[in-house]
Amino acid sequence: DTAVSQTPKYLVTQMGNDKSIKCEQNLGHDTMYWYKQDSKKFLKIMFSYNNKELIINETVPNRFSPKSPDKAHLNLHINSLELGDSAVYFCASSPREGDTGELFFGEGSRLTVL
Amino acid sequence: GQNIDQPTEMTATEGAIVQINCTYQTSGFNGLFWYQQHAGEAPTFLSYNVLDGLEEKGRFSSFLSRSKGYSYLLLKELQMKDSASYLCAVMDSNYQLIWGAGTKLIIKP
Repeated sequence: DTAVSQTPKYLVTQMGNDKSIKCEQNLGHDTMYWYKQDSKKFLKIMFSYNNKELIINETVPNRFSPKSPDKAHLNLHINSLELGDSAVYFCASSPREGDTGELFFGEGSRLTVL
Repeated sequence: GQNIDQPTEMTATEGAIVQINCTYQTSGFNGLFWYQQHAGEAPTFLSYNVLDGLEEKGRFSSFLSRSKGYSYLLLKELQMKDSASYLCAVMDSNYQLIWGAGTKLIIKP
């Protein structure tokens, strides 16, 4: 069983469309994250959720909205996609916020906006 | 502002030793992490340092000097499978992870 799984792995879409990426963790962790890794390979945190409560929201456009139906899932919905949204999006989880910082990453979802 | 610096790319020979440096300037410090990321894959956790000194884990060791804002990852007996990017990350006073851009390590036979 994959600890952190996200779907789809690859997503190609047109500008202006709305898309979602799903993430599930079966580790029983309390905190889940969404990261964006751009072409320069920087990992930038977008959101984190702790027990269904949003606790970090960096300077991310409100076109991006995280949705957490339960603590094992954190989905990412993106409205009105733009070219600059093309990147790899990683979901991750950790046992608790402020823990040792060991994150367990999903395999990534490569989004290409045309 | 907060900053993590590490070399963009390094090349080493199979069987040799390589040291990847990381310097940081952050608002507070709650630990430094090294992650390995193979091309097209997710980052995986390698090490965590919160006190000064060397932490050894098999062929990999990580060193921290908090007074100097400096860490290094030491890889011994290099294998071809060690070709990957190595990401340095620091947890700041708000328990947020600040990431470096990663060092791409190329191993040659």
